[in-house]
Amino acid sequence: SQQGEEDPQALSIQEGENATMNCSYKTSINNLQWYRQNSGRGLVHLILIRSNEREKHSGRLRVTLDTSKKSSSLLITASRAADTASYFCANGNQGGKLIFGQGTELSVKP
Amino acid sequence: EAGVVQSPRYKIIEKKQPVAFWCNPISGHNTLYWYRQNLGQGPELLIRYENEEAVDDSQLPKDRFSAERLKGVDSTLKIQPAELGDSAVYLCASSPFGNTEAFFGQGTRLTVV
Repeated sequence: SQQGEEDPQALSIQEGENATMNCSYKTSINNLQWYRQNSGRGLVHLILIRSNEREKHSGRLRVTLDTSKKSSSLLITASRAADTASYFCANGNQGGKLIFGQGTELSVKP
Repeated sequence: EAGVVQSPRYKIIEKKQPVAFWCNPISGHNTLYWYRQNLGQGPELLIRYENEEAVDDSQLPKDRFSAERLKGVDSTLKIQPAELGDSAVYLCASSPFGNTEAFFGQGTRLTVV
């Protein structure tokens, strides 16, 4: 399979806590992207980090990238019930493909 | 601005029947993707277009699946004949260029009985 691995597969936290999701990928990247998917809906782009970047912020989101380990992490700070969704990383590789991981299912309890 | 539009939203067919999905990408987007997503898994790329050219169809089961992108705009994905294992959500996405931010449609949920 071309897909990478995401860890954990499922995560349950209380509102206000931070949520961290990890992603490992197999092939070289041009960029690494994170998406969110609410149940029964399409995917929504959250943030893109380029291969020459190490950290990027967007609102309550913080993404890190370690190309030497072929891994990325997504941190959601001060989580809300509305953050409950599945989160996917996607490898934007140099061939122009966009390859998704298996996802992390996040549940934020009020 | 309209997003990526897919139709139908839901489709139930009997096995061995044909089925087609339609996608209208965001205006001006050169890249169009078709993905298949099984329950609890990530999207799996089936085919990627750059304008009207299929540049990556290595994951498309060509014995039963076909796709086209007319004039580099709308696209259709067809399955003939459908099998039980084809039940999944079929997602269309578009982006200005390959591996930039992709915009997804709501998907078509296919059930083969």
